[in-house]
Amino acid sequence: NAGVTQTPKFQVLKTGQSMTLQCAQDMNHNSMYWYRQDPGMGLRLIYYSASEGTTDKGEVPNGYNVSRLNKREFSLRLESAAPSQTSVYFCASSEYVRGRIHTQYFGPGTRLTVL
Amino acid sequence: DAKTTQPNSMESNEEEPVHLPCNHSTISGTDYIHWYRQLPSQGPEYVIHGLTSNVNNRMASLAIAEDRKSSTLILHRATLRDAAVYYCILKGTGNQFYFGTGTSLTVIP
Repeated sequence: NAGVTQTPKFQVLKTGQSMTLQCAQDMNHNSMYWYRQDPGMGLRLIYYSASEGTTDKGEVPNGYNVSRLNKREFSLRLESAAPSQTSVYFCASSEYVRGRIHTQYFGPGTRLTVL
Repeated sequence: DAKTTQPNSMESNEEEPVHLPCNHSTISGTDYIHWYRQLPSQGPEYVIHGLTSNVNNRMASLAIAEDRKSSTLILHRATLRDAAVYYCILKGTGNQFYFGTGTSLTVIP
């Protein structure tokens, strides 16, 4: 039982390059989330998927796209990376039942640097 | 979701209890109080949550004020492994958690 896994762990991009961050969970959770964390800051929600087939914007969605590929997998795509997107990216999953999020489980993070 | 206020940093001696405060004066009746912590270079992990009554689990205790406008996370015996950033989050209905900057706990050997 791996929980939430993310790939890659580290990535360096040049401005304008694109990449996809992968996230998978094996807990059969219906909701998945992408956050970013800048140095010295708390986490900010980029996008979330309440259930398979749905995605919604969070607090800071500009410059990102997401795909809920199936119940297990939720990917985050940077189409044209910018230095302002240098951050640590965390994926999380949880159960979402009767209008409430239950405990969120987080992956280990992807450290992205955009030059 | 309502906002929370936490001290930026706290220190504790190893093996002593730690009380981490959180103010949430605009909490609504349906908001749960969640605590997460983030160890260095890791993703956040769940600690505890509650609604009205005090709660205990193997990691910590949560003491909730009678008017629910504040709460305190209690670590009964701090260890070096407890050095982390602790986040107090209010969660009502809806599908988002809002993390603030939390309290950075330093444990002194």
